[in-house]
Amino acid sequence: AQSVTQLGSHVSVSEGALVLLRCNYSSSVPPYLFWYVQYPNQGLQLLLKYTTGATLVKGINGFEAEFKKSETSFHLTKPSAHMSDAAEYFCAAGGSNYKLTFGKGTLLTVNP
Amino acid sequence: DAGVTQSPTHLIKTRGQHVTLRCSPISGHKSVSWYQQVLGQGPQFIFQYYEKEERGRGNFPDRFSARQFPNYSSELNVNALLLGDSALYLCASSSGTAEYNEQFFGPGTRLTVL
Repeated sequence: AQSVTQLGSHVSVSEGALVLLRCNYSSSVPPYLFWYVQYPNQGLQLLLKYTTGATLVKGINGFEAEFKKSETSFHLTKPSAHMSDAAEYFCAAGGSNYKLTFGKGTLLTVNP
Repeated sequence: DAGVTQSPTHLIKTRGQHVTLRCSPISGHKSVSWYQQVLGQGPQFIFQYYEKEERGRGNFPDRFSARQFPNYSSELNVNALLLGDSALYLCASSSGTAEYNEQFFGPGTRLTVL
C-alpha cells in the first residue's frame, strides 16, 4: 500500500527566507505526486504535480518540487517566503486505485 | 466558471443520527471523490464515483455510503453517527478517473458530532 510521509508537522521561516517542505513516498512503482495548499477554513488548492517527464516541476506562486526516484522524495521549495504563503501544505500520491493518498500535512508559518 | 460547491458548510449532529452531505462538481466533470479530514490529519479517501458508478472505496465502515446523480452531483450519507465522525468532509471533482487527473476540491462541510 502506498504511504506518504511529510517530515515536520510545523515549519517556521522568516519572510524572504527559503521554504523547504519535505515529502517522501513509499511505493514499488513511482506514483503520480502532488502538492496541495490549504488555507484556514478552505478546501485544497493544487500547487503542482508530477506525472512523467521532467523531474523538476514548477507550480503556482513561485513553488517548485523535484522528483527524486533514488530518494523516493518530492520536496517542495520556494526561494523566498512571503507572508501570504502561511498555510498548511499536503503532499499526496496518486496510484492505480483511483484515490489520492495524503501525508499528514505541514503547517508553514512565515514570520515578519 | 463556478468551482466545486458543497452544502451545508457546517453541521452539528448528535450521536446515532444520520447526515447527508451534498456536492456539485465543476461543470463538465464526471468524477466525484469524497475525503474525510480529521483535525490535524491529511484527507482520507472515502469514495470515488464516475458516471454514477462507484469506482473506488476507502477503508470506511458500511455506515458510509454515497451516490452520484445523472447531473454528476453527489451525496455522501453517514448513518449512526459516532463522535469520531467529526471532521471536515471534502468533495473533489475531476474530468476523469486516471490517477494523474487533477482533482479540484470544494471548501468542505464541517461536521460536528456531539
